Amino acid sequence: AQSVTQLGSHVSVSEGALVLLRCNYSSSVPPYLFWYVQYPNQGLQLLLKYTTGATLVKGINGFEAEFKKSETSFHLTKPSAHMSDAAEYFCAVTRSWTGANNLFFGTGTRLTVIP
Amino acid sequence: EPEVTQTPSHQVTQMGQEVILRCVPISNHLYFYWYRQILGQKVEFLVSFYNNEISEKSEIFDDQFSVERPDGSNFTLKIRSTKLEDSAMYFCASRAGTGSSYNEQFFGPGTRLTVL
Repeated sequence: AQSVTQLGSHVSVSEGALVLLRCNYSSSVPPYLFWYVQYPNQGLQLLLKYTTGATLVKGINGFEAEFKKSETSFHLTKPSAHMSDAAEYFCAVTRSWTGANNLFFGTGTRLTVIP
Repeated sequence: EPEVTQTPSHQVTQMGQEVILRCVPISNHLYFYWYRQILGQKVEFLVSFYNNEISEKSEIFDDQFSVERPDGSNFTLKIRSTKLEDSAMYFCASRAGTGSSYNEQFFGPGTRLTVL
């Protein structure tokens, strides 16, 4: 079975500070991992993904995440927060590439950026 | 840039009524999905659709739910007799299944369903 745990439903950072959003996964098979962002009244937009290869993946808007198998983690980071980063962030896992590969989401982390 | 669209953005219905939520996936995508998010809870998978049939469904997707791709462009989710607990944001997604972004699901903006 696949599942995702996001620690911290709300995270506040000052503008210019480091952003760290935590995600731990559970998967019975090698996982494919994703971070999605949701801005108010909008759909889910893919930030970045890990499938195979390099464990440090870079995404849009300066975000990156590192897949750490030993820690079953896929934390999202950004060196310097911007006001426009305020949104809800979802970590998700899918199990394999046979079949439809539906996503299993975490409960989300709402990021607030303080000016 | 191609995008997934959903209509309506907000649907209010009475308990026991049928509702149809509509989605237009990205053209040429092969896999289609419905997810829902009850307020304050996680996004949950409902059903996936490929090659004109359901490929996988969750335990949430019971006999009250059905999906259809009636005309090769729309992808609909029908709830036959709505319950209060069906109130949620419903997201449609599609995935190419081929090409450089074959494993990425593209999501629509959602339909907020309110059952009174």
